[in-house]
This record gives sequence, structure tokens and C-alpha cells, in this order.
Amino acid sequence: AQTVTQSQPEMSVQEAETVTLSCTYDTSESDYYLFWYKQPPSRQMILVIRQEAYKQQNATENRFSVNFQKAAKSFSLKISDSQLGDAAMYFCARLLSSGSARQLTFGSGTQLTVLP
Amino acid sequence: EAQVTQNPRYLITVTGKKLTVTCSQNMNHEYMSWYRQDPGLGLRQIYYSMNVEVTDKGDVPEGYKVSRKEKRNFPLILESPSPNQTSLYFCATGQFYEQYFGPGTRLTVT
Repeated sequence: AQTVTQSQPEMSVQEAETVTLSCTYDTSESDYYLFWYKQPPSRQMILVIRQEAYKQQNATENRFSVNFQKAAKSFSLKISDSQLGDAAMYFCARLLSSGSARQLTFGSGTQLTVLP
Repeated sequence: EAQVTQNPRYLITVTGKKLTVTCSQNMNHEYMSWYRQDPGLGLRQIYYSMNVEVTDKGDVPEGYKVSRKEKRNFPLILESPSPNQTSLYFCATGQFYEQYFGPGTRLTVT
């Protein structure tokens, strides 16, 4: 099965510091999308950032940026200047779409704690 | 305001009692999908629909049914719930590159 792997079940970071969450994925497709979602205690799924596989430039959204290594099938999330509100579960996800199919596969998540 | 609504938000039921979780979106999207979230497993796709009357299985469809008779609604049906279907369920809709998730439904089957 084609999978998405998050090898860090838990991470912690000091407020104002930088943290990187890891994600690797498996696919034989050349065209796909990658996402990071945030799930705070409210359980709402919030899109943090997305990356199109055909784009070489790494996506950036304010304090959030990714390191997309297509050949290595790696997609890490960097959070700069961490804030208390960043504490949440973070999920990496891969979207494949071909013909009439659309498959969104998630990793198992990384629980991020921000220490004051 | 763009919204995905799910009802009920919380449900405790007994084994074998049929139930339906409703999902509705006001964004006129063709694509809708259902996921279940379990600790240590992330979210797993149950069923998805590319358009009205078009549905397909995701990764974990066993024990679930869906229907898509109109664009805005995509109900999830558990004909005979079992305790292993105790989970947090999310409905989602969106364009190709972005998914909007509902608030989740916490289901407990005893």
C-alpha cells in the first residue's frame, strides 16, 4: 500500500524557537499534492500549507514553510517563532488524483507541544 | 460563509442499531468524502463521491454505506454498527487542491 509516514509521534519546542516535523511518503505517480493539516484540541482540521509536486519551489505561509525533496519523497514542515497557539496535532497528507479517483492519505500525526 | 456541517456531533448507540450521520456543504463542490480518525492511525478515507450519483470506496469502506442524491449532501450510513466502528468521523469537501473539513462526529458503539 502506498503510505504516508510521520516518524515522530510527539515533539516539543520552546516558545519562539523553531521546530521541524518530518514526513515521508510513497507514490509511483509523478503528479500529486502534499499538505500539512493542524488539529487543535477543538478537533477541527485546519489546512496549514500545501505543495504541488510539480513545483520545485518550497511553499511558505508566514511562519510555516516546507522542505520538499521530491526524489527522496520527503516533505517536512518548519515552524518558525513557535507560539503557544501552534500546539496541536499535525498531519501530513498526500493527494493522488487520476481519472475518476481521488485518494487523500494521511500520516499518523505528530503531537506538538509548545513550552512557555 | 463557506460551511461543512455534520449531524449529530456526538452519538452513543448500541451494536446493530442502524444510524446515519449527515453531511452538508454550501460551497457547491462536486467532491465530497468521509474519513474516520483513530489514535495512532491518522485519518483514513471511507468513501468519496466525485459527483451526484457517483461514489467510490476509500481505504476502509467495510461496514459503511453512502449515497449522493444531491450535490450538497453526502450521508454516511452504518447499517449494523459494531464496537470497532467507534471513532471520530469527518466529512470533507473541496476543490482538487484544498479540502474543507466538517467539525467531526464522535461515535461510540457499545
